[in-house]
Amino acid sequence: ETGVTQTPRHLVMGMTNKKSLKCEQHLGHNAMYWYKQSAKKPLELMFVYSLEERVENNSVPSRFSPECPNSSHLFLHLHTLQPEDSALYLCASSQDGTVSYNEQFFGPGTRLTVL
Amino acid sequence: GDSVTQMEGPVTLSEEAFLTINCTYTATGYPSLFWYVQYPGEGLQLLLKATKADDKGSNKGFEATYRKETTSFHLEKGSVQVSDSAVYFCALIGQGGSEKLVFGKGTKLTVNP
Repeated sequence: ETGVTQTPRHLVMGMTNKKSLKCEQHLGHNAMYWYKQSAKKPLELMFVYSLEERVENNSVPSRFSPECPNSSHLFLHLHTLQPEDSALYLCASSQDGTVSYNEQFFGPGTRLTVL
Repeated sequence: GDSVTQMEGPVTLSEEAFLTINCTYTATGYPSLFWYVQYPGEGLQLLLKATKADDKGSNKGFEATYRKETTSFHLEKGSVQVSDSAVYFCALIGQGGSEKLVFGKGTKLTVNP
């Protein structure tokens, strides 16, 4: 595998379910991100991890819980979601601190539908 | 705060037509500017970038010039192909590189044969 991979690619869940999204980067990066992409809205940054520490949380509801066990893996745990949480969830990674801008590399996303 | 405004889509063109997608930004100092492309069913890919005023980013026949005086970074291609059909996102990172990417809403391009 190369680049940034995400599983599953599609997920349908009820509002009472608990599920997790997985992201893995094979680029040797030290920062990882979760974004939410909804129709007709800009990409929304949800969480940022740098060196496995959460450095930013843009006021995301607690029903979304991230986990970064190491620099290559990032999870997004989901529970008691709402239909408006249906969206494409994108993971990205970058190498912070070594260049003047942290170019981000994106995974293909998980298309989430909440019934 | 920093923001990016790009033209509303969708944009529909015939093959070999000229493409322009407008992008303007609001930011302090000298941000770095990017165009990302998202093909159907895929994640975002960096298309081109420019890190200082008057720089021209180019890739796959696409070009964009960093215009500080008009705070713009318009995307252009002289002759589009069906394979260019995708959603295009303009984005910036604030000066210093310690800020995070700020994206526009995206512009969907459809190229018909």
